[in-house]
Amino acid sequence: AQTVTQSQPEMSVQEAETVTLSCTYDTSESDYYLFWYKQPPSRQMILVIRQEAYKQQNATENRFSVNFQKAAKSFSLKISDSQLGDAAMYFCARGRDKIIFGKGTRLHILP
Amino acid sequence: GAVVSQHPSRVICKSGTSVKIECRSLDFQATTMFWYRQFPKQSLMLMATSNEGSKATYEQGVEKDKFLINHASLTLSTLTVTSAHPEDSSFYICSASLGGNKGYEQYFGPGTRLTVT
Repeated sequence: AQTVTQSQPEMSVQEAETVTLSCTYDTSESDYYLFWYKQPPSRQMILVIRQEAYKQQNATENRFSVNFQKAAKSFSLKISDSQLGDAAMYFCARGRDKIIFGKGTRLHILP
Repeated sequence: GAVVSQHPSRVICKSGTSVKIECRSLDFQATTMFWYRQFPKQSLMLMATSNEGSKATYEQGVEKDKFLINHASLTLSTLTVTSAHPEDSSFYICSASLGGNKGYEQYFGPGTRLTVT
């Protein structure tokens, strides 16, 4: 089965600190994309960051960066300088023509 | 840019009736549209993939006669839940993609909460 696993159902981090959300996946494809999506209480899905599997360089978007380990099939998300607005469900996803989502990690930001 | 709308945002219907949910890409023409279902505190489950002018591709376990998908144009897809029952109550989310032109990113609608009484 082609799955995406997020082993941390919930995490908490102090405001302004750094937190890393883990994700592993399984695939037999050689060309695919990896995504982190954020779902705040409004339930609107928002793309946080995207990584092309053929690129070795880790993607970064401002305070968000990934650690992509292709051989290990690992794709973790690091959030630096955590802000209250970062509190949300975070979904790791893999795919191309269609996307498979992990079960999500609920991130709490402690003031 | 890349805004996707859904209508209605909430709908309550009686058991046995049908309800239609619309998904529109407002400022772009989508290569593909997707329909997801999300139960409380759970992940998104892909129901079907829809391309304009062709039949939708349903995921295993999703009843195509119950969840009718019509993709009339490059900016509009509809999901009709036929003969709805309380177990169909859920949060339905659509998304639209530009395919490889935009790194297969999917742009999501705000979702529709369906309650069947």
